[in-house]
Order: sequence, then C-alpha cells, then structure tokens
Amino acid sequence: DSGVTQTPKHLITATGQRVTLRCSPRSGDLSVYWYQQSLDQGLQFLIQYYNGEERAKGNILERFSAQQFPDLHSELNLSSLELGDSALYFCASSVEPGAGTGELFFGEGSRLTVL
Amino acid sequence: GQQLNQSPQSMFIQEGEDVSMNCTSSSIFNTWLWYKQDPGEGPVLLIALYKAGELTSNGRLTAQFGITRKDSFLNISASIPSDVGIYFCAGQLVGNNRKLIWGLGTSLAVNP
Repeated sequence: DSGVTQTPKHLITATGQRVTLRCSPRSGDLSVYWYQQSLDQGLQFLIQYYNGEERAKGNILERFSAQQFPDLHSELNLSSLELGDSALYFCASSVEPGAGTGELFFGEGSRLTVL
Repeated sequence: GQQLNQSPQSMFIQEGEDVSMNCTSSSIFNTWLWYKQDPGEGPVLLIALYKAGELTSNGRLTAQFGITRKDSFLNISASIPSDVGIYFCAGQLVGNNRKLIWGLGTSLAVNP
C-alpha cells in the first residue's frame, strides 16, 4: 500500500461526458502528479501540483484540468470525453521534487472507459 | 522533447535466468530511477540512483548510474515468477528537477 488513494477505481462513461478523478496523497506529501497510461503505452505526464499551486505541466489536453485543494487532495477533470481518452489515470505523490529526488508514490489508478 | 530509450521492449525468459535492461538518452541526467508496475497496479520504486557511477542493489536487483550520466541499467538475477511486470526507467534532467522523463517500459514475462 503506497498510501496514495485514488477514486473511483473504474469508470465507464460515454463520449462527450465529463468525469472527475480524485486523489489523496500520502500523509505529509505536498506534491501531486497526474499521469495517463493508455493500453500498452508508457506513462504520460499530465500535470503536477505542489501545495496547491501548479508546478509543472506536461502533455495535458485543454479539455483536461486539475487542481489541488487546501487539504492537498487533488482532482483531475476530464471533459468532452473522446474514445481515445480511455486509459488508466494514475496519481502519484512526493514530499517535494527537489534535487536528488524524483521518488514518487503511485496510487492504484483509475481506469476510465469511454464508450 | 527529451526522451529515454528503454530496451528491450519486452522479454520472455525462463525462471532462474538473469535479466538485463537499460535506458539511454542523449541528455544528461542527475537522477535515475527504476520502477516496477505489476499488472493492474501503479508503479513502485525499486531503486534510485543519484551519482554517476553509482551501483545499488535491492535484493536480486542491481542498477547502475552510467558514468556519462546518459544511461542506466537494471539487472535482475535468478528471476522468479513474481518478477513479471513492466519495468520503467525514469530520469531527472540536469537543471530541471521538476519533471521526470520516463522510458516506455520493458515488459517482462517469466516462464516457471
């Protein structure tokens, strides 16, 4: 158990819809990262928040947005869903990405299926 | 953008065999990390390397941070069925500690 909690574990929805994925980081971790993993693909970095503020941005579509709340949990919002958005979405947390770290703790993922 | 070349893409081996996989890049990294993803799970950190030339072991796993800082390898000795999964390398670029660059993974299958 990594200590990172993601909900829901599975989600099935239709094209055009909007969903929200939720992540609670490990106790004490200030950074939250969101990754997308499509079938047989690697991990695509989407976005990172640190203590409530956006810290780094990856290949996140404009239809996607995220935020980190004062209690440090984070939500990833996916809108106008397309079939190609079907994937595993992982949340990870760390104390802070400073020099010599990069050690992330991943949740079990939310599997999104868009029909 | 920056990328890591991870190889091999997949491996199918017999139980008891040793395994070797590596990551290379044209960029210089100040941190190399190796993660394992079990089926249906999130990746878990196996080994972190912070110094060029560093050789670190974790049980049957051994990883090295290349001298040129552009590569790293992971060895698994005497493989067992529970070694099955996807192994990812990740690196932090020199001067950019905010983002990890990930390899595409090595899928390992072990035949008992």
